[in-house]
Amino acid sequence: GQQVMQIPQYQHVQEGEDFTTYCNSSTTLSNIQWYKQRPGGHPVFLIQLVKSGEVKKQKRLTFQFGEAKKNSSLHITATQTTDVGTYFCAGPWDTGTASKLTFGTGTRLQVTL
Amino acid sequence: DAGVIQSPRHEVTEMGQEVTLRCKPISGHNSLFWYRQTMMRGLELLIYFNNNVPIDDSGMPEDRFSAKMPNASFSTLKIQPSEPRDSAVYFCASSLAGVQYFGPGTRLTVT
Repeated sequence: GQQVMQIPQYQHVQEGEDFTTYCNSSTTLSNIQWYKQRPGGHPVFLIQLVKSGEVKKQKRLTFQFGEAKKNSSLHITATQTTDVGTYFCAGPWDTGTASKLTFGTGTRLQVTL
Repeated sequence: DAGVIQSPRHEVTEMGQEVTLRCKPISGHNSLFWYRQTMMRGLELLIYFNNNVPIDDSGMPEDRFSAKMPNASFSTLKIQPSEPRDSAVYFCASSLAGVQYFGPGTRLTVT
């Protein structure tokens, strides 16, 4: 079945440092979504990428979809304590059912002053 | 919009008891998902519905788990009998056009 892996599993940075998490799918994806889960909270949708090679920015966050549509990355510039949480990528299941998503294993980000 | 509503937010029960978790999806969303999250296993999809019909329940761990969606605005996940290994956070999410909106979750502790 479809698998979505993320690396690293965990990263601890000092506030102001950059952070990147990588997402790799075993199959080609029609789109990739990113979610953020704060400690004790629930996953919250951040963004969706659809086109091969697409790059989107949200303030200090930059999202990229690979040319082969099998990988993606999220880069945070100058991290802040508000960035703390677990970041998940997710892709549609490969059975043609648009609704079901396969979530990645997640990257937990810790930011300290 | 109120978002996805789940109840209860916390549930503590003894092994062997029946547990029922409830979910009200966002109005107009046609898909509903039940997930379980633990440190060890991460976020696992248990079952999902499209237009109130169960589509894929392959993630339901065993027969002790059952889910229903009697109408477009309500779903339940039932565990009977509950076991300590069922302790986890259970999320409900609803979706329209692929993006999923999660509820706040129910933290279940089975002692």
